[in-house]
Amino acid sequence: GAVVSQHPSWVICKSGTSVKIECRSLDFQATTMFWYRQFPKQSLMLMATSNEGSKATYEQGVEKDKFLINHASLTLSTLTVTSAHPEDSSFYICSASDPGLAGGLVDTQYFGPGTRLTVL
Amino acid sequence: AQSVTQLGSHVSVSEGALVLLRCNYSSSVPPYLFWYVQYPNQGLQLLLKYTSAATLVKGINGFEAEFKKSETSFHLTKPSAHMSDAAEYFCAVSDLEGGSYIPTFGRGTSLIVHP
Repeated sequence: GAVVSQHPSWVICKSGTSVKIECRSLDFQATTMFWYRQFPKQSLMLMATSNEGSKATYEQGVEKDKFLINHASLTLSTLTVTSAHPEDSSFYICSASDPGLAGGLVDTQYFGPGTRLTVL
Repeated sequence: AQSVTQLGSHVSVSEGALVLLRCNYSSSVPPYLFWYVQYPNQGLQLLLKYTSAATLVKGINGFEAEFKKSETSFHLTKPSAHMSDAAEYFCAVSDLEGGSYIPTFGRGTSLIVHP
């Protein structure tokens, strides 16, 4: 259980275009999902917390108008990088917690395989 | 506030040797502690977690970690390294401060296993 998928696994786009990344919990319902960004050889940086049916909570320094997050259902959250620029190139990883597995205690996050974004 | 320090950005061991990856944390409340492994171009996979039960936690792939409150440490060990263990390892801490369990990650330790 607790499988999280991401689509696409990699994407290359031109500068100025927008890219949408999907994060799905395959075998559980996730009221909360998280979006991280990871630069090469570095740790994960939390970008935002995605809440089903409400607005995402962004970390300090993350532009909410640039990184649009939509959590439309209990199994799907999307991250849209708008007007992408080369500096947005990175590895984007989502995660989700499964209250059912943890007895209601959302103490463990399960991660998707990541999406490699390259902006030319 | 919580933070994680992973000593050593790289650890190199011979195949069959003991693996020791160090993690120290700070937390104002009893923490939950995690070790994750990341293979190239992949997401993070949970190795093991400590959530205030037994202080010695056994995980997947033969790894284990011991929670030592007096040392604020949660070091990861494996008795005998395999080539397939070569990966990036992240220690993470989370607590209920602020009402959420969002983890804070260390900078990661790259484990290199040579024949």
